[in-house]
Formats: sequence, structure tokens, C-alpha cells
Amino acid sequence: SAVISQKPSRDICQRGTSLTIQCQVDSQVTMMFWYRQQPGQSLTLIATANQGSEATYESGFVIDKFPISRPNLTFSTLTVSNMSPEDSSIYLCSATTGGNTGELFFGEGSRLTVL
Amino acid sequence: GQQVMQIPQYQHVQEGEDFTTYCNSSTTLSNIQWYKQRPGGHPVFLIQLVKSGEVKKQKRLTFQFGEAKKNSSLHITATQTTDVGTYFCAGPFGSGGSNYKLTFGKGTLLTVNP
Repeated sequence: SAVISQKPSRDICQRGTSLTIQCQVDSQVTMMFWYRQQPGQSLTLIATANQGSEATYESGFVIDKFPISRPNLTFSTLTVSNMSPEDSSIYLCSATTGGNTGELFFGEGSRLTVL
Repeated sequence: GQQVMQIPQYQHVQEGEDFTTYCNSSTTLSNIQWYKQRPGGHPVFLIQLVKSGEVKKQKRLTFQFGEAKKNSSLHITATQTTDVGTYFCAGPFGSGGSNYKLTFGKGTLLTVNP
């Protein structure tokens, strides 16, 4: 299993600013992902965080807006750049250990409100 | 694009009643996973189904995977207030053979009246 810690847990941000969310896993994992979840909505995959290389982004998400780093197997960051109110959401870090179940472990999420 | 559709969107039941949520995929899935998210919490893995027609049980929860591996269901017998939350199905739609990039259904929010 894996325990994922995310910070900040919540923040209120001004339009035009950027915020970096940190994700730390307590054990080595094979893959790490970043999801976005609007309150009361489903989860949308932003990107796969690749260790030591550029993240792989899903359709509708670009590196300039959501730069992601993963310097080692257990740590990743997501930056939400030049924020607007439409970026208000919960951002979830997730990871898999690559076991047979394919289980995704999730962090507690970072709730961002952009004014 | 690849989609996972889930119904109903909401379900309110009296404690002790049964509950079922259904999930349909536009394409055949190699596997399907189910997650539960309590209000204010994060998604927690419940189970993965892999085989055509597979049925798995966890206490009062019964999970099924369709014969064509395009649909699935989660049935809860005799709901309790602890069952409250949103239940998501998720299927892998990774490119390049990745089985770990999941597309989530919209979820079914279950509320239970004690």
C-alpha cells in the first residue's frame, strides 16, 4: 500500500498568481498522477508525472498551465499557473505500486479557491 | 472519446434498503475498478474486476463485471449510514498499453436516511 501526503490541503489564491502543490508518497511507487475534481463532480486526469522527464498531459491540459515535476520515485509537484476562478477545484495526487490489482492510492487533495 | 457512463447520479435510500449503481463503457475494458469517496474525503479503492462475468463480494457489497466486459454494477444489500458517499467506477484507457491511467465515471452519490 501507499500513503500519500499532499500540501497545502487548501488555499485561497488571487487571480493571476501561481501555486505549487506538493505530493509525497511513503513508499516507492511506479506511477504518479494528478487529477482534478470539481466539488461534487468526477475526477479528470490532468497528467502522468514521469520520473526525471516531462510529464505526459491529457487532452485539454498543457505544460505551461500545469507544470509538473517528479524528481524521484516518491515526490511530485503540480503548479497551477496564472490562476483564474475557473481553476478553483480540488487537485488530487495519486499513485500506483503497480501491483496486480492496479489500485490507485489518493492523497487527501488540495482545495484551491481562486478569487 | 472513451467514456465511462454511470447511473444513477444520485440515490437516496432508507437504511436497510438495497442500492445498485451501474457503469457502462463505450469500449471493452481489460478491467474495471470501483472506488468510494466519503463526503469531504478522497477516493478509496474498493475492488478490481478482470474476468468476463466475474462476481466478487465484500460483505454486503457485490460487484459484477459483464460478459462483454463493457458494463459493471455494484450492489449494496441492506444499506447502513456508513455506506454514505459517492461510488465511482473507473476503467483503464491508457495509450501505449498503460493499464494505470483511469477514466472515472461521474459517480453515484448515495445518501442513507437512518
